[in-house]
Amino acid sequence: AQTVTQSQPEMSVQEAETVTLSCTYDTSESDYYLFWYKQPPSRQMILVIRQEAYKQQNATENRFSVNFQKAAKSFSLKISDSQLGDAAMYFCAYRTQGGSEKLVFGKGTKLTVNP
Amino acid sequence: GAGVSQSPSNKVTEKGKDVELRCDPISGHTALYWYRQSLGQGLEFLIYFQGNSAPDKSGLPSDRFSAERTGGSVSTLTIQRTQQEDSAVYLCASSLDWAPLEQYFGPGTRLTVT
Repeated sequence: AQTVTQSQPEMSVQEAETVTLSCTYDTSESDYYLFWYKQPPSRQMILVIRQEAYKQQNATENRFSVNFQKAAKSFSLKISDSQLGDAAMYFCAYRTQGGSEKLVFGKGTKLTVNP
Repeated sequence: GAGVSQSPSNKVTEKGKDVELRCDPISGHTALYWYRQSLGQGLEFLIYFQGNSAPDKSGLPSDRFSAERTGGSVSTLTIQRTQQEDSAVYLCASSLDWAPLEQYFGPGTRLTVT
């Protein structure tokens, strides 16, 4: 079974600085998808960014980018120019390609943004 | 358009009682998922519905948990004889059949079993 590990329960960053959240996963598959979700106190999960495993290029969405290292099974999220609104729980998630489309989540990293 | 909605937002129940949690997916979304988020934990998959196919129930933790989806739209998650360990936030998500990469989540139902 696939597992996702987020080794940083909490992180903090100064406003306008850059922070990197770590995620590693375990799988025997070669084709899959990886995601970062944001969960603010409202509880609503919001998709931040996704990466298809077959793509070598790292995904980027505005201030959010990933460092995808397939061989190392690592998928970190970099947030640049951090804003107060970025404060939230961040979850890394894995999805297999084909078959059940369920997401396998890590336990999350709580990000605090200090003014 | 309207997002995924869930009701109730919060539910407090006594141990041993049955509860029903409701999810209204985004109109036109054929896939619907239920997840459970216990305190300090990530989301745990419970069940997945896709169109008229048999649901994937592999994540249901016990036979006290069941779910149905009527008319390919609204879904109800039922927990019978609730236990304190069932206390959690129950999240529902939906997605389009042709774009399954994007799961849209509802705000969840916080269940507290006393």
